[in-house]
Amino acid sequence: GAVVSQHPSRVICKSGTSVKIECRSLDFQATTMFWYRQFPKQSLMLMATSNEGSKATYEQGVEKDKFLINHASLTLSTLTVTSAHPEDSSFYICSARDRLGGQGYEQFFGPGTRLTVL
Amino acid sequence: LAKTTQPISMDSYEGQEVNITCSHNNIATNDYITWYQQFPSQGPRFIIQGYKTKVTNEVASLFIPADRKSSTLSLPRVSLSDTAVYYCLVGASGSGGYQKVTFGTGTKLQVIP
Repeated sequence: GAVVSQHPSRVICKSGTSVKIECRSLDFQATTMFWYRQFPKQSLMLMATSNEGSKATYEQGVEKDKFLINHASLTLSTLTVTSAHPEDSSFYICSARDRLGGQGYEQFFGPGTRLTVL
Repeated sequence: LAKTTQPISMDSYEGQEVNITCSHNNIATNDYITWYQQFPSQGPRFIIQGYKTKVTNEVASLFIPADRKSSTLSLPRVSLSDTAVYYCLVGASGSGGYQKVTFGTGTKLQVIP
């Protein structure tokens, strides 16, 4: 089945540093990947849509200069949290859809990355 | 984007059938209905997807009435390991690319021994 991996699974960093999170589709190609953020006991919030070879589309209220997204290949998208602060501490989840998929909307989700900013 | 509404939480005893209903009154013609399961500190896991009528796989059934304004996820004989949050999503891929979807509140299912 389609597998999406994320690295790292958890990261602790100091305030002011930058953190990069990788999202890979392991056995399929993904033209589009999505990045979500989830705070404790809350639902997933879409942050941005990452398209291979083009600029990401950010949701309203998400700072594109703070959350840098790069989708350099059909199997890799990265999210960089720049100058992280404690309020950026959250669970970050990526998802991808097989570009050869049908008309439905089956997304394959990564296992998530727990970011803690001290 | 079609908005979905689900009960916030449900409790069920082990071995019972659980039905979780999702309302999506403004579902578009091209939209599919997809259900995901999420355990704490994990990414959502695909359960089932459908467009109309009934879909069944090895873990669940999905019932969609003719007007498609709601859907019901049915989990047969739940066990403690089915305790999780269940999300109903509505969306589709279109000529402009893959349409983004919005996660609703989800339904927290607690299975009781």
